[in-house]
Amino acid sequence: EVQLVESGGGLVQPGGSLRLSCAGSGFTFNSYWMNWARQAPGKGLEWVAIIRHDGSDKYYVDSVKGRFTISRDNAKNSLYLQMNSLRAEDTAVYYCARSLGAYWGQGTLVTVSS
Amino acid sequence: DVVMTQSPLSLPVTLGQPASVSCRSSHSLVHSDGNTYLNWFQQRPGQSPRRLIYKVSNRDSGVPDRFSGSGSGTDFTLEISRVEAEDVGVYYCMQGSHWPHTFGGGTKVEIK
Repeated sequence: EVQLVESGGGLVQPGGSLRLSCAGSGFTFNSYWMNWARQAPGKGLEWVAIIRHDGSDKYYVDSVKGRFTISRDNAKNSLYLQMNSLRAEDTAVYYCARSLGAYWGQGTLVTVSS
Repeated sequence: DVVMTQSPLSLPVTLGQPASVSCRSSHSLVHSDGNTYLNWFQQRPGQSPRRLIYKVSNRDSGVPDRFSGSGSGTDFTLEISRVEAEDVGVYYCMQGSHWPHTFGGGTKVEIK
């Protein structure tokens, strides 16, 4: 059974940093593109970043470019999102997803507030 | 960025009746590899999104056959042949043909 489990969310002050993790199991992790998406409270979905199966290509939505970094450790079947210079508008549930949304984790809440 | 426009915003449906959600994209979703990466997702209250349909018309494993997708180019439709109580939630289309991948604004399906 495919499982994606996110962790690392929490409350952080504006300008602060947070690192999200996603542990994958039940599939060959190093064979798939992986993604982070987010959903602000009461709002729709937004794709944040995507990384090729071997980590050689990464793409970001404009609103997080230069602040967020997606990475992966295939030996640990893990995906990461380093978030720096956080803003109030980054407040959202962050989801890890495989490929083009075939599987999603349960999400982890990031709240940016003073 | 490719803008995905869904309609209607809200869709009250009688149990057992059909429902249809429209999704239009600002650019053609035909990828250079010849595929059209248009997916449909269901998000039930309090849950993570679940993919129902990929590449326009392919049902994911475990998805009831009352769900179907169709369309081409810039115009796509999700249809539910007979709405059941468990279908309540928000439905999103998403394009994966161009980066950044983008979602429609969502259509809330509720029971009358």
